[in-house]
Amino acid sequence: DVKVTQSSRYLVKRTGEKVFLECVQDMDHENMFWYRQDPGLGLRLIYFSYDVKMKEKGDIPEGYSVSREKKERFSLILESASTNQTSMYLCASSFVGQRSNYGYTFGSGTRLTVV
Amino acid sequence: GQSLEQPSEVTAVEGAIVQINCTYQTSGFYGLSWYQQHDGGAPTFLSYNGLDGLEETGRFSSFLSRSDSYGYLLLQELQMKDSASYFCAVNSNQGGKLIFGQGTELSVKP
Repeated sequence: DVKVTQSSRYLVKRTGEKVFLECVQDMDHENMFWYRQDPGLGLRLIYFSYDVKMKEKGDIPEGYSVSREKKERFSLILESASTNQTSMYLCASSFVGQRSNYGYTFGSGTRLTVV
Repeated sequence: GQSLEQPSEVTAVEGAIVQINCTYQTSGFYGLSWYQQHDGGAPTFLSYNGLDGLEETGRFSSFLSRSDSYGYLLLQELQMKDSASYFCAVNSNQGGKLIFGQGTELSVKP
């Protein structure tokens, strides 16, 4: 089975801290994505990557950065955590191009609380 | 702008048929996908429509009309375990980037 693993299920961080959320996939997918999910707002794309060392901004990149040094790993960084970044963070991966039609595989999510 | 519209909530009884509609307005369109998410779980892929028409996968079917910018997910023989949120998502380019709707919460009653 394809697996997308997020390093933490629950995190509590303080305002102003630098936060790292890690995601690893084992299916050799080219694409990797970070979404946040909030009630009533659905899934909103923060950043995505089509390849190693490549990154593209999504719809809500402010306050976030990403790193993709290896194909299987995509990290989301909150430079200085704020309370409005309290959310569920979902990592996903997929093939690129036509094969992306087979769908995303999501990780189980990291519920981040910033206090 | 880009937007997807789907109902926020739908309620149905066990054994019934329910249809969840999705209309979209996006700058690029390559296909429409559907995802299911149980409470506290990860979204899981259900179906993809790249061409107009109906795709059937067991009890679930998905339909697309590109000319109407409209699609739906049809769930038949509803079971209690189908209670979940359902998201439509547009594949906006060939790269695989998805734009998600806000989700429809389906409640199946006995």
